[in-house]
Amino acid sequence: DAGVTQSPTHLIKTRGQQVTLRCSPISGHKSVSWYQQVLGQGPQFIFQYYEKEERGRGNFPDRFSARQFPNYSSELNVNALLLGDSALYLCASSFLQGSEKLFFGSGTQLSVL
Amino acid sequence: AQSVSQHNHHVILSEAASLELGCNYSYGGTVNLFWYVQYPGQHLQLLLKYFSGDPLVKGIKGFEAEFIKSKFSFNLRKPSVQWSDTAEYFCAPLGHQLIWGAGTKLIIKP
Repeated sequence: DAGVTQSPTHLIKTRGQQVTLRCSPISGHKSVSWYQQVLGQGPQFIFQYYEKEERGRGNFPDRFSARQFPNYSSELNVNALLLGDSALYLCASSFLQGSEKLFFGSGTQLSVL
Repeated sequence: AQSVSQHNHHVILSEAASLELGCNYSYGGTVNLFWYVQYPGQHLQLLLKYFSGDPLVKGIKGFEAEFIKSKFSFNLRKPSVQWSDTAEYFCAPLGHQLIWGAGTKLIIKP
């Protein structure tokens, strides 16, 4: 079975641009969470979606938005990119909203120049 | 902020040495804690978890962790490490507003 897949794997953008990151959860998983991991730090929660509804939001500005589609895949959008948005963006899926086990993708490495 | 913290950012051990990685949490209420591991070139994966019950939990590959409420700790242990344990280890809470540990890079010398 395929794991959590994320695309693209690497992305280079300039300040002020917009970016869309994509995530496909494990088949059958209905919950998708997004995390930002800055070098030298642990993953920081951004959003959780379950059954296409936002169920949790971390301490991130409104420039960050996300959505989940009927097939449970998800997109994370970041507008007006800043240098500080450079990070690894991780997607994790789980069967249920409060599931105790997250399955992570390999991430999208975003560099903002 | 309510968080977990890891104090050892880099640990280097020889094979067969014993391992203990520290994790402390700073929030009250229900405490659910995890250890995740990321092997070189691989995804983050769950190592073990504590929800309730026996404070000594066992995970994959011979790892265990003990939840000590009085010390606000959930340290990860392994009696004898192997070269293949080289990885980055994260202590993590269950709860979206809670902050993960910064991770510990563990290097095992053959």
